[in-house]
Amino acid sequence: GESVGLHLPTLSVQEGDNSIINCAYSNSASDYFIWYKQESGKGPQFIIDIRSNMDKRQGQRVTVLLNKTVKHLSLQIAATQPGDSAVYFCAENMDTGRRALTFGSGTRLQVQP
Amino acid sequence: GAGVSQSPRYKVAKRGQDVALRCDPISGHVSLFWYQQALGQGPEFLTYFQNEAQLDKSGLPSDRFFAERPEGSVSTLKIQRTQQEDSAVYLCASSSPSQGDYGYTFGSGTRLTVV
Repeated sequence: GESVGLHLPTLSVQEGDNSIINCAYSNSASDYFIWYKQESGKGPQFIIDIRSNMDKRQGQRVTVLLNKTVKHLSLQIAATQPGDSAVYFCAENMDTGRRALTFGSGTRLQVQP
Repeated sequence: GAGVSQSPRYKVAKRGQDVALRCDPISGHVSLFWYQQALGQGPEFLTYFQNEAQLDKSGLPSDRFFAERPEGSVSTLKIQRTQQEDSAVYLCASSSPSQGDYGYTFGSGTRLTVV
């Protein structure tokens, strides 16, 4: 399949380990953040979101942490599996009056069996 | 179908040709979005429709890009006089009000290569 990113930062982890993917966002006024997963040849898939009035949100095997002081977002994946291998993007609503999302440049996660 | 469907899956165009990319959103989804994704980068917003109304076209890179959704369902993104820098994956997404303002479901995209 086609690659979604040839020169992305890459995080390589062993199956079963925890993964942490980081993102620096742009606009201190953004009030909504989303993590997407994109597998080769597919569109982005929603993983988890968080609003700016929260600093942590948990889903199934995933946790998103938001640090507004330093404009930092992280995605933690517990017990990483080979199926988690993909490119991960953070996105923010930089202009809260619009429906457009601004995506970061992405991180490739490689899970070694 | 259950997801957002885009066609064609791949399109090769000679420079200067016009192309039309189709998006079939999830049935009943009011909002529809187009994004452009260059190789190795995140998607970039192009335009947004609510039903048949194009409410935001601020991301369209030039007047060669045109999008329509005449009946509030299927949408077409048209690129006139294609140039090499138009080569990218064009992603369509749709959402329903229950998903909130940003709860998109993306299609698999159309990969456009301009030669």
